[in-house]
Amino acid sequence: GAVVSQHPSRVICKSGTSVKIECRSLDFQATTMFWYRQFPKKSLMLMATSNEGSKATYEQGVEKDKFLINHASLTLSTLTVTSAHPEDSSFYICSAREGLGNQPQHFGDGTRLSIL
Amino acid sequence: GENVEQHPSTLSVQEGDSAVIKCTYSDSASNYFPWYKQELGKRPQLIIDIRSNVGEKKDQRIAVTLNKTAKHFSLHITETQPEDSAVYFCAASKATGNQFYFGTGTSLTVIP
Repeated sequence: GAVVSQHPSRVICKSGTSVKIECRSLDFQATTMFWYRQFPKKSLMLMATSNEGSKATYEQGVEKDKFLINHASLTLSTLTVTSAHPEDSSFYICSAREGLGNQPQHFGDGTRLSIL
Repeated sequence: GENVEQHPSTLSVQEGDSAVIKCTYSDSASNYFPWYKQELGKRPQLIIDIRSNVGEKKDQRIAVTLNKTAKHFSLHITETQPEDSAVYFCAASKATGNQFYFGTGTSLTVIP
């Protein structure tokens, strides 16, 4: 149980392209979904938190117009990296949680984004 | 806000030995402490968690201890195997909050 699917797993595209990443909870309803960015050999950096049907809460320093998050249903959240540039290249991971803050987060497989 | 510190950042042990990773937290309201294992290029996976109403929890070769007074919790892996090699993250959260506060990770290498 508690499976989170994230697609695509790998994206290579040209600078200026917008990229959409999907995160789905397959067997539970995700009250909250989280988007992280992870640099090589570094910890998970929280970018934003989203609750179904409401606007995402972005962490300090994360541009909301650059990283658009939509959480349209209890099983789907999307992250769109708009007009991506090489500095946006990174490993992006979503997670989903059912219930309150003291419940486990379940992670997707991550998306390796490479901007040329 | 919460501040979670994790030590050591790297740890090498011989196969069969034990490994201990320690984390401290600052917010006394935190009451849920999960541990995640992340293999290279893969997702973090929950391996064990503990809530503040217990002091210790064990699952086969893995155990977690919690000292609420001192605000620290530790992961113990016994009889380590090469497949235990990975990065381990601790985290803290509370019921009223939304997010996990992750530690900076420990890269564990088990030497055959």
